[in-house]
Amino acid sequence: EDQVTQSPEALRLQEGESSSLNCSYTVSGLRGLFWYRQDPGKGPEFLFTLYSAGEEKEKERLKATLTKKESFLHITAPKPEDSATYLCAVQAWGNTPLVFGKGTRLSVIA
Amino acid sequence: DTAVSQTPKYLVTQMGNDKSIKCEQNLGHDTMYWYKQDSKKFLKIMFSYNNKELIINETVPNRFSPKSPDKAHLNLHINSLELGDSAVYFCASSGLGETQYFGPGTRLLVL
Repeated sequence: EDQVTQSPEALRLQEGESSSLNCSYTVSGLRGLFWYRQDPGKGPEFLFTLYSAGEEKEKERLKATLTKKESFLHITAPKPEDSATYLCAVQAWGNTPLVFGKGTRLSVIA
Repeated sequence: DTAVSQTPKYLVTQMGNDKSIKCEQNLGHDTMYWYKQDSKKFLKIMFSYNNKELIINETVPNRFSPKSPDKAHLNLHINSLELGDSAVYFCASSGLGETQYFGPGTRLLVL
């Protein structure tokens, strides 16, 4: 069974304090690993897709990396507006659904 | 211009009632999905339709029935609502095998 585990559950950072969020996964043939951001009361907002080990993608202060067992979302010099829940999901090959982790709730304090 | 929209945004109803949630996407995608996010914020797939055909049907009570009148719309009808159905329901869409884009969610509260 495909599984995703995210850690930590919650993370509190000072503005400017860089850190990383972890997403460990097991999947029967990875088609893609996805990162989403979810603000309170809103739907998940797409950030990145990673397809193969060694791949990296960046967007503003966020950088996502992928190995064969896990993905990291690195946040460099975060700002209060980066506060949100970050969701990781994997998709196996074929007509398979996204399998989500429980998310990491990030709070960035000014 | 909203890409994936859902109505209503909030739904408060009594146990035993029947209710529907509507979803529309203007992205030209072939595949649409319904997800349920429970009180612990865990997001889980319920159904997936591709070009109006059901392709994924996870273990969901048969009180839940999706309907896709065309590939831009996917509605969710729920019969005989129970307390445990209280959750946020998200619609999403994608090109086949591509990134999924989510709607704003429908918050259902069953009293």
